[in-house]
Amino acid sequence: ETGVTQTPRHLVMGMTNKKSLKCEQHLGHNAMYWYKQSAKKPLELMFVYNFKEQTENNSVPSRFSPECPNSSHLFLHLHTLQPEDSALYLCASSQEVREKGETQYFGPGTRLLVL
Amino acid sequence: AQTVTQSQPEMSVQEAETVTLSCTYDTSESDYYLFWYKQPPSRQMILVIRQEAYKQQNATENRFSVNFQKAAKSFSLKISDSQLGDAAMYFCAYSAYQKVTFGIGTKLQVIP
Repeated sequence: ETGVTQTPRHLVMGMTNKKSLKCEQHLGHNAMYWYKQSAKKPLELMFVYNFKEQTENNSVPSRFSPECPNSSHLFLHLHTLQPEDSALYLCASSQEVREKGETQYFGPGTRLLVL
Repeated sequence: AQTVTQSQPEMSVQEAETVTLSCTYDTSESDYYLFWYKQPPSRQMILVIRQEAYKQQNATENRFSVNFQKAAKSFSLKISDSQLGDAAMYFCAYSAYQKVTFGIGTKLQVIP
């Protein structure tokens, strides 16, 4: 496979469930990102990892827990979510986190519905 | 904080015609990058075009070109000879100091 892949593509979960989203990049990049995409809102950056180290946590509630075991894989562990957390969750990667100008490569997203 | 404004929630264009999507941004920085990303209905967002603020020449990628007006903080995307495959959400983005800020997007419909 090439590019950035995400699984599952669709997920329905109850508020008491625990689930995980997976992202894998096959581009040899060192930076990975989680975004939340909701209708009629700008993309919200959630977490950034650079060389496996978390460099950004954009005031995300603790019910979202990221994990980056290596530069190719990124997980988002979900626990006790709320209905307002329903959204499209996008993973992206870039060569690394630099000052500016990094092109990000996105996965297809996981459409999450919290009941 | 930087903001990116896309004032056109939806646009439509006839196939083979030209359309321009607008984007304005707010920043006090002089060195930054601007992007247009495209998100087709399948949802995989891809880079369309990238512009460095220090470069006066407008970026061009095949049928896609930008009109970058630094003083006006404007960064519009022109799509020439529109094709059905251009139908998508288009996001304008600004990048400086390791942060990327996206606009809310413009949905482009291409009419056969």
